Amino acid sequence: GIQVEQSPPDLILQEGANSTLRCNFSDSVNNLQWFHQNPWGQLINLFYIPSGTKQNGRLSATTVATERYSLLYISSSQTTDSGVYFCAAHYGGSQGNLIFGKGTKLSVKP
Amino acid sequence: DAGVTQSPTHLIKTRGQQVTLRCSPKSGHDTVSWYQQALGQGPQFIFQYYEEEERQRGNFPDRFSGHQFPNYSSELNVNALLLGDSALYLCASSSTPNTEAFFGQGTRLTVV
Repeated sequence: GIQVEQSPPDLILQEGANSTLRCNFSDSVNNLQWFHQNPWGQLINLFYIPSGTKQNGRLSATTVATERYSLLYISSSQTTDSGVYFCAAHYGGSQGNLIFGKGTKLSVKP
Repeated sequence: DAGVTQSPTHLIKTRGQQVTLRCSPKSGHDTVSWYQQALGQGPQFIFQYYEEEERQRGNFPDRFSGHQFPNYSSELNVNALLLGDSALYLCASSSTPNTEAFFGQGTRLTVV
């Protein structure tokens, strides 16, 4: 079946460090989203990025659809960046369910 | 502009009971999807509603059913609850079935 794989599964950083999270997908995607799940469980939209590069403050994302991967960059990390980061892909046709990866758990230490 | 809202936020039920969870989509959205997230896992797709019909379904048993109302709000019903149904249930809305999805804060269901 369709697979979305994220790496690394866990990441511990000191405040101020930079990081790169990776998402690989097993088939061509229509759309790809990155989310941050806060400690209360809410999924916060970070990027909607089927291809190309987008930036929002300290965060940026790049999706290379032809090579089936996406990267999320976090620069100058802050303790508030802690949480679980998910990528999720839409596949094919007009149907819109998202296939999620297992997430990357990020812990930023002061 | 209100985002996606879900109710209740927490719920405790006994094995064998039935439960109904509710979701109001983001303003301007007519598509609602439901996801189940077990502890330590990514969300799993349950089903999607569009134009008051179930358009797509994930790998969940018939105990899971839903409904979408004319105002686009939606309900998720789970019958004959099992301990394994304990999870965070997330509702997402989008402007069409295959566009950017926005999630509610979730309902945390505990089955005892």
